[in-house]
Order: sequence, then C-alpha cells, then structure tokens
Amino acid sequence: DAGVTQSPTHLIKTRGQQVTLRCSPKSGHDTVSWYQQALGQGPQFIFQYYEEEERQRGNFPDRFSGHQFPNYSSELNVNALLLGDSALYLCASSLGPGLAINTQYFGPGTRLTVL
Amino acid sequence: GDSVTQMEGPVTLSEEAFLTINCTYTATGYPSLFWYVQYPGEGLQLLLKATKADDKGSNKGFEATYRKETTSFHLEKGSVQVSDSAVYFCALIVTGANNLFFGTGTRLTVIP
Repeated sequence: DAGVTQSPTHLIKTRGQQVTLRCSPKSGHDTVSWYQQALGQGPQFIFQYYEEEERQRGNFPDRFSGHQFPNYSSELNVNALLLGDSALYLCASSLGPGLAINTQYFGPGTRLTVL
Repeated sequence: GDSVTQMEGPVTLSEEAFLTINCTYTATGYPSLFWYVQYPGEGLQLLLKATKADDKGSNKGFEATYRKETTSFHLEKGSVQVSDSAVYFCALIVTGANNLFFGTGTRLTVIP
C-alpha cells in the first residue's frame, strides 16, 4: 500500500520563476492538504483540496495556487518566486476533509530552494 | 487566533530517562490536539491525539493528556530510547476547521 508520494524531491529555482510541485495521495484517500515548512519552523497550512475544489485556505498570497485531479492527485503552483518561498513543502492526504476525525498522512516533502 | 506554543529545544537525554515536552495552546472553540513526530529523512507521522478534555492519547509508550483548565497537552514518556530521536510537533485543529496549526517543533536527541 503506497503512502503519500511527492515529486520532485528537491528543486532549485531563481527569483521570479514559477514552480509546480506534485502529490499523489495514499491509496483510498480523496483529500489533499498542502503545508509549507520553513527551516526550524512547524508546518503552515496553505490549502486543502477535496472533490477537485479548494475547500479551505491559509494565510498565503494568491501566488500560491493548486489543483486536484479526478484521480485525487494534486499540484501546488507558486508564481513569481521570492527568496522567502524557500522551504520544505509537505503534502498530506486523508479520507475526507474533516481532520478532527480523519487522520492525515504526510509525504516526505519537496525541498524548494529559491536563489 | 489559534496557536500552539511548544517548549524550546533541542532536548538531549540519556537512554531510559524520563521525557516531557511541554505544549500549550490558544484556540477558539474546542480543539482536537495532536502530537506528530518527524524522524530524520522521513515525513511527519501522527504519534497520538486527543479530541476532548481529559482524554489521554497514547502510542509507543508516549502519552499526553488534554488539559482544558491549563490549555495544555504535554508529551511524556517514561523511558526514552535512542530510536526516539526525532523532532516532535504539537498541533491543534479547531472544530469545524480543516487545517492543522503546528507548533515550532522540539528536537529530541537520545544518547546511549
């Protein structure tokens, strides 16, 4: 049973560029959430996708956008990259969006470095 | 707003020592509380959780009790092992919300 997978593992971009990160949820899961984890900090919620729609969003600018596909996989897009976007980006999946009830399973993350 | 405050790290203990990692929270409504662990090179894993006041979550010898009166959810283990070396995150979710609020994490190193 495959867990949550993310690609790529590492990525280096320059300021102003755009990046797309990908996530495949754990088998049987239909909900994907994205988090940003800066070095030495806890993860911060970016947004959650369920039924191919953004259901909830954290305090992140519109430069951060996403998409969920019919097979439940998801993409995170970041436009006009800033140095401060350098972080570990975590994807988490669950069966249903209600996280008080449904356990989230996290992927290993994509390490993004912006130069 | 909703937030979690964790004990500053890093924490270094000898094997078989007693562990406490403090966590307090601020939340609107009635949150569910979680401890996640991040082992070196791996993703976050749910360690334990508690969904209402006075509940005790437990797993792998770790325990935490949801204390509403002190707004706390301290993580404890009676005898740590080298394999417990990891970063531990306290987190909460408010009823009706779909996002976790995490603390900043506490790095634990257990030496033989």
